[in-house]
Amino acid sequence: EPEVTQTPSHQVTQMGQEVILRCVPISNHLYFYWYRQILGQKVEFLVSFYNNEISEKSEIFDDQFSVERPDGSNFTLKIRSTKLEDSAMYFCASNSDRAIGQPQHFGDGTRLSIL
Amino acid sequence: DQQVKQNSPSLSVQEGRISILNCDYTNSMFDYFLWYKKYPAEGPTFLISISSIKDKNEDGRFTVFLNKSAKHLSLHIVPSQPGDSAVYFCAANPRGGSQGNLIFGKGTKLSVKP
Repeated sequence: EPEVTQTPSHQVTQMGQEVILRCVPISNHLYFYWYRQILGQKVEFLVSFYNNEISEKSEIFDDQFSVERPDGSNFTLKIRSTKLEDSAMYFCASNSDRAIGQPQHFGDGTRLSIL
Repeated sequence: DQQVKQNSPSLSVQEGRISILNCDYTNSMFDYFLWYKKYPAEGPTFLISISSIKDKNEDGRFTVFLNKSAKHLSLHIVPSQPGDSAVYFCAANPRGGSQGNLIFGKGTKLSVKP
């Protein structure tokens, strides 16, 4: 069964540094998402992406965040200048074209630790 | 601002018995609900969903019930198995389609004891 894959599984970065989290969505999917889960809290939506542009973003997704689909397979989340509170699990998800009720498929996440 | 609430952080059930996980929501505009299961060190895995036009959806051992008037849904697992031990998230999709973001509850950790 096709999977969403995320790399790296764990990223440790100094505060203030830039970090790029990478995702390879399922190949025939067209809608892409990033979520995060701070330890002990709920999974929170960050951004959705379709047709090479952001469809929707939450209040969390401020100017420090950006997303990109640099080629036909990768979907990346960049945090420009990391803060301690960016430490969290970041999940990428994807689903197929406009199918009502089609569930989002999640990757196993990247644990981001900011020191 | 918790639009999706799972008020029980944990639930322990004996193998073979029924597990009932509950979820409440506040926004009447939600029109699609999903349950995800999450094992440690893995991402959420889709389990079952229900449209707001239905009150029940069944898939094998898993059944989701929706009570729109009470803004309440529940997931029933019968019979429960040790492999069902995981964190279960209730999620709502405001647009009912593939473009909407998911709003998650905090999750309920289910432990099924042999």
